Amino acid sequence: KAGVTQTPRYLIKTRGQQVTLSCSPISGHRSVSWYQQTPGQGLQFLFEYFSETQRNKGNFPGRFSGRQFSNSRSEMNVSTLELGDSALYLCASSKREESYNEQFFGPGTRLTVL
Amino acid sequence: AQKITQTQPGMFVQEKEAVTLDCTYDTSDPSYGLFWYKQPSSGEMIFLIYQGSYDQQNATEGRYSLNFQKARKSANLVISASQLGDSAMYFCAMRKAAGNKLTFGGGTRVLVKP
Repeated sequence: KAGVTQTPRYLIKTRGQQVTLSCSPISGHRSVSWYQQTPGQGLQFLFEYFSETQRNKGNFPGRFSGRQFSNSRSEMNVSTLELGDSALYLCASSKREESYNEQFFGPGTRLTVL
Repeated sequence: AQKITQTQPGMFVQEKEAVTLDCTYDTSDPSYGLFWYKQPSSGEMIFLIYQGSYDQQNATEGRYSLNFQKARKSANLVISASQLGDSAMYFCAMRKAAGNKLTFGGGTRVLVKP
């Protein structure tokens, strides 16, 4: 059974550009959550989607947005990139809306903003 | 608001010895879940073990066990018979009953010495 996949794995952008990251959950999983990991702030929750609906949102500016498709794949978009957006972006998938002990992560997308 | 505290930023452990990683949490919710993840240098978050707030017994998964003390709000991870491959960052995380959002601690870096 394939795990959570994220593309691309590495990305280099310049300030002011925008970027789109993709996450494909484990087959049959309908919940996708996104996290940002930086050395200074640690792991922070961005947003969560279930059945194409955003269920939860973290404390990030509106430049960070996301969506989920009918096949449960999810994308997150960051517009007007800033240096501080350089981070490892991780997504996690779960089968159900409240999945108790299931939270499986992908390998992450490492974004560098120059 | 939920909070996870990992007081040990880093630690060394001798190969084949056991190690305990501390995690304390703060929540007013009666129902919650506690997770431990391992993050090697590659960046992927690997699920290790889960403990539900209403679980009567401490969780165990192979060489990993969780010492859950609900009254003290602690959920320490014990790794028995450490191996060189256990060298990584370890994160404690908590999920509320509703939704799949995880709140993470700051992590503990473990280095296993041969």
